Amino acid sequence: NAGVMQNPRHLVRRRGQEARLRCSPMKGHSHVYWYRQLPEEGLKFMVYLQKENIIDESGMPKERFSAEFPKEGPSILRIQQVVRGDSAAYFCASSPYSGQLETQYFGPGTRLLVL
Amino acid sequence: AQKVTQAQTEISVVEKEDVTLDCVYETRDTTYYLFWYKQPPSGELVFLIRRNSFDEQNEISGRYSWNFQKSTSSFNFTITASQVVDSAVYFCALLSSNTGKLIFGQGTTLQVKP
Repeated sequence: NAGVMQNPRHLVRRRGQEARLRCSPMKGHSHVYWYRQLPEEGLKFMVYLQKENIIDESGMPKERFSAEFPKEGPSILRIQQVVRGDSAAYFCASSPYSGQLETQYFGPGTRLLVL
Repeated sequence: AQKVTQAQTEISVVEKEDVTLDCVYETRDTTYYLFWYKQPPSGELVFLIRRNSFDEQNEISGRYSWNFQKSTSSFNFTITASQVVDSAVYFCALLSSNTGKLIFGQGTTLQVKP
């Protein structure tokens, strides 16, 4: 049973470009969570999604960031017009059908570097 | 407010020593879940254990053991006979039954020297 998949593992962007981070949950998991790990701030929740629905985006910056989890395909975290402060590790986690009280299993992360 | 505190930023031990990583949490929820995750130098986050607020039994898994004490709001993690491969950052996390989000502590960096 494959784990949570994230790609790319490393992403380099110049200021002003767009970054697209992909996450495929574990088989049978329908809940996806995104977290960001900034160098001096630890791991912080960004957004919680189920298929085609955003459940909680309270941790997502109001501008430039968006997330989706379509009926088919991976979840996407999109960062528009990246700035240097967006450089971080972005982790995706998934949990099973029974949802938000289940253990969240994490992917390997995407390391975003903004030049 | 919900909060997780890992007061130890870095710990360094010599192989075969026992080491305990502290975790203190704050929540007003009566139902909640506590977790430990390991982040080795390769960077991924590995799930280690989950505990719910109604189960205060301590747990042992090989060289790992966890001590959950509701009275002191603590969920400490002990590694017995540490090994170099245990070197990693360890995160304690709280999951409220009211939300789907994990609240992480700042992490403890454990270095095990040969």
